[in-house]
Parts: sequence; C-alpha cells; structure tokens
Amino acid sequence: DVVMTQSPLSLPVTLGQPASISCRSSQSLVYSDGNTYLSWFQQRPGQSPRRLIYKVSNRDSGVPDRFSGSGSGTDFTLKISRVEADDVGVYYCMQGTHWPPWTFGQGTKVEIK
Amino acid sequence: QVQLVESGGDMVQPGRSLRLSCAASGFTFSSYGMHWVRQAPGKGLEWVALIWYDGSKKYYADSVKGRFSISRDDSKNTLYLQMNSLRAEDTAVYYCARASFLSMDVWGQGTTVTVSS
Repeated sequence: DVVMTQSPLSLPVTLGQPASISCRSSQSLVYSDGNTYLSWFQQRPGQSPRRLIYKVSNRDSGVPDRFSGSGSGTDFTLKISRVEADDVGVYYCMQGTHWPPWTFGQGTKVEIK
Repeated sequence: QVQLVESGGDMVQPGRSLRLSCAASGFTFSSYGMHWVRQAPGKGLEWVALIWYDGSKKYYADSVKGRFSISRDDSKNTLYLQMNSLRAEDTAVYYCARASFLSMDVWGQGTTVTVSS
C-alpha cells in the first residue's frame, strides 16, 4: 500500500500569515491516464471531512482561493495564503492513484497561535 | 442540495453484527460510486470500502475483508455497510462519501459504532 506522510503534524499559525503543509507518498502518484490523484481534506473540530483540492491543484466549489495545492510525483503541498480563524482543524492528504486502498496521511493539526 | 445521511450506528458486543445505512439526496445516486470511510476516536481517516456506481464491483480494506459487505439499493437511493464479527478495533465514526475523481467529494455527518463488552 502507498504510505502518505505529512509534515508537520502540528502547525501553530498567526492569523493573516501563510501556512504550508507537506505531503509525501511512498510511490509516484501519476496514474496510467496521466493524472495525479492527490486530494486534500479539511476537518474542522466536530465536523465531517470536506474536500478542498482534487488532482493536486483543483479547488472544489466554494473553497476560498486562499487555499492552493501544488506538487508532482511524490511531493505535494497545501498552502493557505492568509490563515483565518475558520481554517482551524486537521488537514489530510489522500492518494487515489494506487487503489485499492485509498490511503490518507496522518493529518496536520492547524491551530492559531 | 446534495446530501448524505448515515444511520444505524450503535454500541454492540464483540462478535455481533450491525448494518449501517446512508441515504443520498440531491443527486443521481445511481450514477456514482460510493465509499465508506471510518475514523477511530482521536485518530485519522481510514478507507473501508467502495462500491461502483452500478454495484458490479466492490473493494475492501484488508482490515475488514471477509467481515464487512458494501451494497446499494438505487431504488431507495441508499448505501449500506453490513458489518459482521465486529471487533473492538472497529469502533469508529463511519462516514459515507460520494466517489469523484478517484477521491471523495461529498461526505455525510457520520454515524458512531462502538464495539465493547
């Protein structure tokens, strides 16, 4: 199975400042169709996960443009350009290229300093 | 609006069975594959099972293979997860989620399963 490794696991941030989360996969996530199936999810406290980004860099509908995804191969990044209080929660990366199973990173907890 | 609502979670003893349901609305259910994903208390997300849009193929995590069974009833817009031989390590919040781009784009609110004697 593909192992997804996130860093850091805890990320204290100042309101209005940028934040960045890294996600690395144990194998390249390039699929046979040429796409890379790497997604990012946000889970606010007490809520269900919500997808923010799919196929590395595509924002889901309603996701603020301060969230962006980038990367290729085995290295990926989620960036928040200016952190707002609403962004507190746990963020997960997930690969869908080498399925089954779909595998998630351990999660990165974003909190306000 | 697009919505998934899980139900059926309960507290059960080890070795017993439970069936979870996920009612879908706001989209053409029969056109989508559907996942179950779980989250143990204080832990991360773990994929459990997938069923194709037409029910023709099903996939399971090794941790549940042979014990859990995913199914769907398109006439009722409902997804199911039959869980047999439950273990303490199956204790979790179970989410159903719609399949999209080899990912999950819509999630339910979750239903809690507790396996304890």
